[in-house]
Amino acid sequence: QKEVEQDPGPLSVPEGAIVSLNCTYSNSAFQYFMWYRQYSRKGPELLMYTYSSGNKEDGRFTAQVDKSSKYISLFIRDSQPSDSATYLCAMLFNAGGTSYGKLTFGQGTILTVHP
Amino acid sequence: ETGVTQSPTHLIKTRGQQVTLRCSSQSGHNTVSWYQQALGQGPQFIFQYYREEENGRGNFPPRFSGLQFPNYSSELNVNALELDDSALYLCASSQGTRVYEQFFGPGTRLTVL
Repeated sequence: QKEVEQDPGPLSVPEGAIVSLNCTYSNSAFQYFMWYRQYSRKGPELLMYTYSSGNKEDGRFTAQVDKSSKYISLFIRDSQPSDSATYLCAMLFNAGGTSYGKLTFGQGTILTVHP
Repeated sequence: ETGVTQSPTHLIKTRGQQVTLRCSSQSGHNTVSWYQQALGQGPQFIFQYYREEENGRGNFPPRFSGLQFPNYSSELNVNALELDDSALYLCASSQGTRVYEQFFGPGTRLTVL
C-alpha cells in the first residue's frame, strides 16, 4: 500500500465549475500537507501548505485537512482553462522543526477545464 | 529574486554511462532536495543537502550521489545508468527549517537508451 493515494483521474470539468481534488494517506505522523500544480513539461509549483488539521484559503483555492480520517482536499472555485494541469498532493513529517524535508507525493490528478 | 534553475534541460545517455545534473537554488535558500519523477507518477525523494551535508536519503541505490557547494548549488550524479533511470529529475530548494515550502526547478529530462 502506498503511503499517499491520489486518484489519477483524468478529471474534466466545464469552465466555472467547482473542482474537488483529494488524497488519502496512511502515515499518521505527517504534519504538513501541500498542494502543487504541475503544467506539462514543467516543475511542480507550490500552491499552498497546511499545518495539521483545518482549512486554508487562498483566492479561488481552499485546502482542507482531516487528520482523523487521514484525508485531504483541494477545492478550486470558478475553475478556468488555465487551471488545466496535474495537481499533486504532498506530505511531510518534520520532527522538532529540523531542516529535514522529505516530501511524499501522491500520483497526481490530471485536470482539464474546458471552455 | 531568482528562482530555482536546472541544467541541462534534456539529456540522452546510454545504459552504463554516468551523468551529472546541476541545480542552482533560489536566492537565500540553503537546502536542496532532489526528486525523481517517472512518467505519470509523483516525484520520489532521492536525497537532501543542507549546508553542504547530506541530510537524508530516500530508497535509492548508492550509484545515486550528490554534492552541495558553498553557494548552495548542487549536483546529482548517477553512475551505471539503467533504462529505469529515465525520468524527470527535479531539484527543490528551501530555507532552513521551512522545508514545507520547497520550490522546484523546471527539471532535467533524462532518457537512457
